[in-house]
Amino acid sequence: QVQLVESGGGVVQPGGSLRLSCAASGFTFSDYGIHWVRQAPGKGLEWVAFIRYDGSNKYHADSVKGRFTISRDNSKKMLYLQMSSLRAEDTAMYYCAKGYYDFWSWGQGTLVSVSS
Amino acid sequence: QSALTQPPSVSGSPGQSVTVSCTGTSSDVGGYNYVSWYQQHPGKAPKLLIYEVSKRPSGVPDRFSGSKSGNTASLTVSGLQAEDEADYYCNSYAGSNNFHVFGTGTKVTVL
Repeated sequence: QVQLVESGGGVVQPGGSLRLSCAASGFTFSDYGIHWVRQAPGKGLEWVAFIRYDGSNKYHADSVKGRFTISRDNSKKMLYLQMSSLRAEDTAMYYCAKGYYDFWSWGQGTLVSVSS
Repeated sequence: QSALTQPPSVSGSPGQSVTVSCTGTSSDVGGYNYVSWYQQHPGKAPKLLIYEVSKRPSGVPDRFSGSKSGNTASLTVSGLQAEDEADYYCNSYAGSNNFHVFGTGTKVTVL
């Protein structure tokens, strides 16, 4: 079955950087677009970024544009989110999710905390 | 891009029906038939309930149904059960500029 496993979260100081990873299995990874979605503690869901199946197009939310970059390695079945210039408001659970117009399968998330 | 507007909470007794609304604009909900709904229990990842306004993935009970009129989409839960108590989020595709937007979320309480 479809499995998505996020990793790379942790505590980072404001202004710092972090790279999140999402390992995929149970489906043909190179056939599907993948999203990053985040959820601040006690808050709602926020779409963060999307990458097409072949990496040819990438989209980022205005709130992270210029600071976060989504990428993928189809040979390794891996998705990444490079985050820089982190702010306190980036503190959240980060999920990867398979889909394009919707979010069919989700990982369990990795927690990012931006704090001094 | 502003979040889609949902009521903070709705409630109903077991067996009753509840409806959650999701209001956007002509640039998102009203402009595309790509509204989806997600159920999230505490401490868990969201789960897809409805896609393309009214379609249900395999395994989702037919007690869950979706619809759309203009810039407002709706999720109806019929025959409310205790396990339906959760947070519910709508989402809409918003074109290549803003791509996706989620709703503010609604807590459904089973009385």
